Amino acid sequence: GAGVSQSPRYKVAKRGQDVALRCDPISGHVSLFWYQQALGQGPEFLTYFQNEAQLDKSGLPSDRFFAERPEGSVSTLKIQRTQQEDSAVYLCASSLGRVTNTGELFFGEGSRLTVL
Amino acid sequence: LAKTTQPISMDSYEGQEVNITCSHNNIATNDYITWYQQFPSQGPRFIIQGYKTKVTNEVASLFIPADRKSSTLSLPRVSLSDTAVYYCLVGRYGGATNKLIFGTGTLLAVQP
Repeated sequence: GAGVSQSPRYKVAKRGQDVALRCDPISGHVSLFWYQQALGQGPEFLTYFQNEAQLDKSGLPSDRFFAERPEGSVSTLKIQRTQQEDSAVYLCASSLGRVTNTGELFFGEGSRLTVL
Repeated sequence: LAKTTQPISMDSYEGQEVNITCSHNNIATNDYITWYQQFPSQGPRFIIQGYKTKVTNEVASLFIPADRKSSTLSLPRVSLSDTAVYYCLVGRYGGATNKLIFGTGTLLAVQP
């Protein structure tokens, strides 16, 4: 596709369930980011991949959060034993560049997670 | 890591020029300044990026003073469709530090 695709767009989970959120970045984009956006707040950095390598996961809020990009394209953000505070929109962004200070981030529309 | 500060909200009328200022006192030498626009239920969308002085594209201008501790996004002749949240972003990625930090965002409300 032409843009970053995320699925599912909406996910409702019961507290304690595991969820998996998928991101299809723009083809050929080396860099991939995950952000978490709570209602009324700006996006908060979670993790960054350069191809298949997860170079920075310092933003992941707990060890219940896990992200992977095994073949350097599609990425999955997994949240285990979901809690109510995990409710947020999870945004994926990709960028063509690898090591750079510039470059436009292309965002998907996000996956809205609601934990009951 | 450079943290940004923006006004929480601004009001304007159609046809006016709007200037949104972002403070980033701890900006690093290699950091670029980028602005994004976000509509409800959508991901942020790139508007403009700069390093110093002035940058202009078809939708906006970005003014950066010599000390680079702030920047101003200028939207000429806004319309109702410009109502959105605008984020100032400072940072870099690819090396040891990969956080591209979004500010609090400025909610711009354009009225008829």
